Amino acid sequence: GENVEQHPSTLSVQEGDSAVIKCTYSDSASNYFPWYKQELGKRPQLIIDIRSNVGEKKDQRIAVTLNKTAKHFSLHITETQPEDSAVYFCAARPTGANSKLTFGKGITLSVRP
Amino acid sequence: SAVISQKPSRDICQRGTSLTIQCQVDSQVTMMFWYRQQPGQSLTLIATANQGSEATYESGFVIDKFPISRPNLTFSTLTVSNMSPEDSSIYLCSVGQPRGSSYNEQFFGPGTRLTVL
Repeated sequence: GENVEQHPSTLSVQEGDSAVIKCTYSDSASNYFPWYKQELGKRPQLIIDIRSNVGEKKDQRIAVTLNKTAKHFSLHITETQPEDSAVYFCAARPTGANSKLTFGKGITLSVRP
Repeated sequence: SAVISQKPSRDICQRGTSLTIQCQVDSQVTMMFWYRQQPGQSLTLIATANQGSEATYESGFVIDKFPISRPNLTFSTLTVSNMSPEDSSIYLCSVGQPRGSSYNEQFFGPGTRLTVL
């Protein structure tokens, strides 16, 4: 089955700096890669996703890049703000009607004011 | 995205008892899932709730412990049976919604925080 790994497990950045969170996956059949943000005590929130026919996708201060050859994808947050502090989960899913998301272990991002 | 609600939002239960968690969606959805999130951990899929048929359980989860109902396309329940302190966790309902014609986005409910004494 699919195995998704995230690294680092924690990341601390200064407000205004950029943050990059990386994930690797094992199943070459995976073609959908969402990112979720979970603030303390809240539900996981889908913030951006990318499909395997696209190499990069941007939405304001966040972007996701995908390298299918190397089987890794990354979340980029520019001009970080304290409200970006949260746990970020990456996930991967192969094609198929019954396919399921496999989540990474999560990365705690702390933005220092 | 669909609006997903769960009841109860939290509960404290005695070991040996059972708790049923409800998940209500404001629109019909094909795919509904139940996840468990232990403190400080990632999201673990318990089962896929299938409308009109038995749920599909992941390895390590069994129907006797986590019976699931899905009577229609907007509602599901998860029961945590014969609870022990190890069942203390957050239980999350999740739904898949189609994005265009080719793939589903997945959204989560607010979760049910369960503490077993």
